Amino acid sequence: GENVGLHLPTLSVQEGDNSIINCAYSNSASDYFIWYKQESGKGPQFIIDIRSNMDKRQGQRVTVLLNKTVKHLSLQIAATQPGDSAVYFCAENMNNNAGNMLTFGGGTRLMVKP
Amino acid sequence: NAGVMQNPRHLVRRRGQEARLRCSPMKGHSHVYWYRQLPEEGLKFMVYLQKENIIDESGMPKERFSAEFPKEGPSILRIQQVVRGDSAAYFCASSPPWDSGANVLTFGAGSRLTVL
Repeated sequence: GENVGLHLPTLSVQEGDNSIINCAYSNSASDYFIWYKQESGKGPQFIIDIRSNMDKRQGQRVTVLLNKTVKHLSLQIAATQPGDSAVYFCAENMNNNAGNMLTFGGGTRLMVKP
Repeated sequence: NAGVMQNPRHLVRRRGQEARLRCSPMKGHSHVYWYRQLPEEGLKFMVYLQKENIIDESGMPKERFSAEFPKEGPSILRIQQVVRGDSAAYFCASSPPWDSGANVLTFGAGSRLTVL
């Protein structure tokens, strides 16, 4: 769903703790998913992606989990740092001939307390 | 590689004026996408273009908005007769051809339009 007109949900964590950001996607035909990080005043920045033939993918300090049964995606950040404070968006892409159009979720604001 | 370049970064217009936002994709990218973001909201797809072609404009308002990606030069998002509701951040993204296997969109820093 869309958080039209509502403030972003916020996750507040202590520096050094692990963070888990969740996302429910809408289209069961989507086969490619991306997490983006957006800092204030900047454009979205790619973090990690995963294809629908996988259920887990790890990067540096980040892990994405995909549960296609319930159409759920999560981003785990290990040892969260102040620089991780940002808004995080999941995005989905349905493989079709129309290219790489992404549909974005509503976003979650991550606040890291020192 | 300079990444996706957008200008102007900030644009102020009065109601009824025209706004033109420009986007130069990353080197080697032939696909351009425009998204709009209202404060505290996600990005909403507007239009997808390749050189000289509009591939999908399903997210574009029916009136006042247009986009182009000419053979030479940047992609342009044009908003005619702006209204206060057009105030938003407009992001451009680019990607290689979709069948190249590289699906990631790379975003620019955005153009922030304020309509007085």
